[in-house]
Amino acid sequence: EAGVTQFPSHSVIEKGQTVTLRCDPISGHDNLYWYRRVMGKEIKFLLHFVKESKQDESGMPNNRFLAERTGGTYSTLKVQPAELEDSGVYFCASSHRLAGGPGETQYFGPGTRLLVL
Amino acid sequence: GQQLNQSPQSMFIQEGEDVSMNCTSSSIFNTWLWYKQDPGEGPVLLIALYKAGELTSNGRLTAQFGITRKDSFLNISASIPSDVGIYFCAGQWEYAGKSTFGDGTTLTVKP
Repeated sequence: EAGVTQFPSHSVIEKGQTVTLRCDPISGHDNLYWYRRVMGKEIKFLLHFVKESKQDESGMPNNRFLAERTGGTYSTLKVQPAELEDSGVYFCASSHRLAGGPGETQYFGPGTRLLVL
Repeated sequence: GQQLNQSPQSMFIQEGEDVSMNCTSSSIFNTWLWYKQDPGEGPVLLIALYKAGELTSNGRLTAQFGITRKDSFLNISASIPSDVGIYFCAGQWEYAGKSTFGDGTTLTVKP
């Protein structure tokens, strides 16, 4: 069974440009999460989808970030326009059990390393 | 926002030594999680703890959920070179999928 995949693995853009990150969760996983790790700090929660619905978007930094999950399968995270402080590693994770319930395991993708110059 | 204090920030140890790292929080969690991240990969779940006081082992790893529900520790016994990586603690509230992570502990094991 394929794991969580993310594309691209690396992205270098200039301030003001737009970048779209993609995440393909494990097949059949209803829960999809986006996290971000900036400058070697903690991994911070961005948002949580259950199927195609946004369950919790409390971690989204501002309205320059837009996440979608059309059809409840893959998800995209668009940053427009990108700022210097958006640099970091963006992780996607998926799970199939009740979110936050006993036994839920979130499987992480390898991340997209974004550098904004 | 909610923060977890994870320590130490980094560790340099000799192969065969035991390792201990911990996390503390200003508020309680219902679940404590420990992850390991290898270079170029995403975090992988090592141990999940669901009850205060719970002590759980996974091979050479042992983790405990603190009685106050505000802390947890992870021990690695008899370290080997493949233990190298970044270890993260994370806390969750019940039936809330989002996890709150610590800053990570970078472990280096010298053969």
